[in-house]
Amino acid sequence: QITLKESGPTLVKPTQTLTLTCTFSGFSLSTRGVGVDWIRQPPGKALEWLALIYWDDNKRYSPSLRSRLTITKDTSKNQVVLTMTNMDPLDTATYFCAYSKMATLLNYWGQGALVTVSS
Amino acid sequence: QTVVTQEPSLTVSPGGTVTLTCASSTGAVTSGYYPNWFQQKPGQAPRALIYSTSYKHSGTPARFSGSLLGGKAALTLSDVQPEDEAEYYCLLYYGGSYVFGTGTKVTVL
Repeated sequence: QITLKESGPTLVKPTQTLTLTCTFSGFSLSTRGVGVDWIRQPPGKALEWLALIYWDDNKRYSPSLRSRLTITKDTSKNQVVLTMTNMDPLDTATYFCAYSKMATLLNYWGQGALVTVSS
Repeated sequence: QTVVTQEPSLTVSPGGTVTLTCASSTGAVTSGYYPNWFQQKPGQAPRALIYSTSYKHSGTPARFSGSLLGGKAALTLSDVQPEDEAEYYCLLYYGGSYVFGTGTKVTVL
């Protein structure tokens, strides 16, 4: 059974760096074809794809946020970490991580973590 | 910046059929964009329905089908059930990154 769970601060101040952790079970991020994505959703708004890390440590980022995002993995801990720098109130959103394998994208999702950016 | 556009809202009667579309600001959507479709109900994480244009995930009801239609990706809901009322999002691949659509709110009335 594949499960994912996001964790991190619920409140960050403007200009701070956000660090979110996705802890998963039921699969290994060293298995060929497997990836973990990050997606966010501002309150009442659409989903936005942020970043993806593959089993072979290849990484992909949203072009519009690339300069602010870093995605890393710790295969031994079954974790993927997303950092986002220079946080702004417009970054207030629920942040999700999700599992992908080959063409079957985002097949399993975490419950999401609400992050509010406010001074 | 790439924009993926969907109908803001659609209404369908129970038992009816409705087609949602997904258009890219870069031009016609082809199979090379690997269109995916997701369903999201209030307060829940999205649920994957369709990948690579028309392939169903395990657990996706047969009444959901994906296709390409007039230069767009399309999701057709047939024999619509009350539980199909939700927000639907498409996702397109752009050579290394992905972009979600603006979302379609489907109301079953």
